Amino acid sequence: AQSVTQLDSQVPVFEEAPVELRCNYSSSVSVYLFWYVQYPNQGLQLLLKYLSGSTLVKGINGFEAEFNKSQTSFHLRKPSVHISDTAEYFCAVSDGGATNKLIFGTGTLLAVQP
Amino acid sequence: EPEVTQTPSHQVTQMGQEVILRCVPISNHLYFYWYRQILGQKVEFLVSFYNNEISEKSEIFDDQFSVERPDGSNFTLKIRSTKLEDSAMYFCASSDRGMNTEAFFGQGTRLTVV
Repeated sequence: AQSVTQLDSQVPVFEEAPVELRCNYSSSVSVYLFWYVQYPNQGLQLLLKYLSGSTLVKGINGFEAEFNKSQTSFHLRKPSVHISDTAEYFCAVSDGGATNKLIFGTGTLLAVQP
Repeated sequence: EPEVTQTPSHQVTQMGQEVILRCVPISNHLYFYWYRQILGQKVEFLVSFYNNEISEKSEIFDDQFSVERPDGSNFTLKIRSTKLEDSAMYFCASSDRGMNTEAFFGQGTRLTVV
């Protein structure tokens, strides 16, 4: 069975500082990895995805993530955060099976302070 | 930009009542999903739907739940007899292909059972 672990429930950071949100997964098959963002009182928006190819994936709003198969990780990074990046970030894995359902992590609240 | 729309945004219902949550997926999409997020917890897969039938469902999706695509555009989730523990945010999602594709999420319906 697949699972996703986001060890940090909350990450406080000052504006313009770099940030890394950690995600580790477990899967016995090929995986497809996603990061979604949920702004307050809104739905889930895709930030970026890894399906195959280059292990460094760039997404929207200046975010990027690196797929590391040996460490089973897919950490999300941004070199300089803004107040507007304050949101809940969810890492998710799909087995790429017929239904392509997503298994989500517990989420990390990124709290950007001025 | 096409989007998944959900109605209502917030529904309050009494315990034991039936509730129907409505979703309009993106028009050319073929795969449809319901997820739920209990307050403070992670997003959980409920059910996937393809070719007018359920393709996969989770343990949460018991006999109290049903899904339907009644008219080729709407996708509904019905809870027959709501319980307090059904209180959650329910997200609808759709994708154009099952495998290796991004799922687009709606804004969610917050269901409160009193």
